[in-house]
Amino acid sequence: GENVEQHPSTLSVQEGDSAVIKCTYSDSASNYFPWYKQELGKGPQLIIDIRSNVGEKKDQRIAVTLNKTAKHFSLHITETQPEDSAVYFCAATGANNLFFGTGTRLTVIP
Amino acid sequence: EAGVAQSPRYKIIEKRQSVAFWCNPISGHATLYWYQQILGQGPKLLIQFQNNGVVDDSQLPKDRFSAERLKGVDSTLKIQPAKLEDSAVYLCASSSETGTWSSYEQYFGPGTRLTVT
Repeated sequence: GENVEQHPSTLSVQEGDSAVIKCTYSDSASNYFPWYKQELGKGPQLIIDIRSNVGEKKDQRIAVTLNKTAKHFSLHITETQPEDSAVYFCAATGANNLFFGTGTRLTVIP
Repeated sequence: EAGVAQSPRYKIIEKRQSVAFWCNPISGHATLYWYQQILGQGPKLLIQFQNNGVVDDSQLPKDRFSAERLKGVDSTLKIQPAKLEDSAVYLCASSSETGTWSSYEQYFGPGTRLTVT
């Protein structure tokens, strides 16, 4: 099955700086790569996703890039704000079965 | 649009007891998923339903876990008997029609935090 690795496990940035989280996957058949934000006591919330036919996607302050050849994808958050503090999960799927990374705890320091 | 509803939000039981969780997916979503999220880890799929049929239950510990989705809407997940290692958050998610990119987008409920003592 799919194996998704995520780095770093924790990340602290100053408010206004950028944050980057990286993931790799093993199954070349995977074609959908979502990112979820999970706040304390809540379920994961889909914040952005990218499909295998696209190399980059942007939505306001967040962007995701995909390198299918290298089997890695990244989440970029610019102009970070305290409310961006949460655990972020990447995931990959080829058949509606999401395989999640181990999560990155992002802390934005005011 | 109402999100995925789950209850209860918290449950504490002793080992060897039984417990049940309930999920109501987003209206019209054909596919429903149950995930187990152990503290500090990403969610792991337990079972996937499409309408009222099971698509994937390969990761479900069938000796103690069971799930059903009668009438293709609500679903219940049961554990009997519970073990200490079952302590986790149980998440329900749903997605819309199959065969389209929209079907890949999963929306999660708030989860049920289970503590087994």
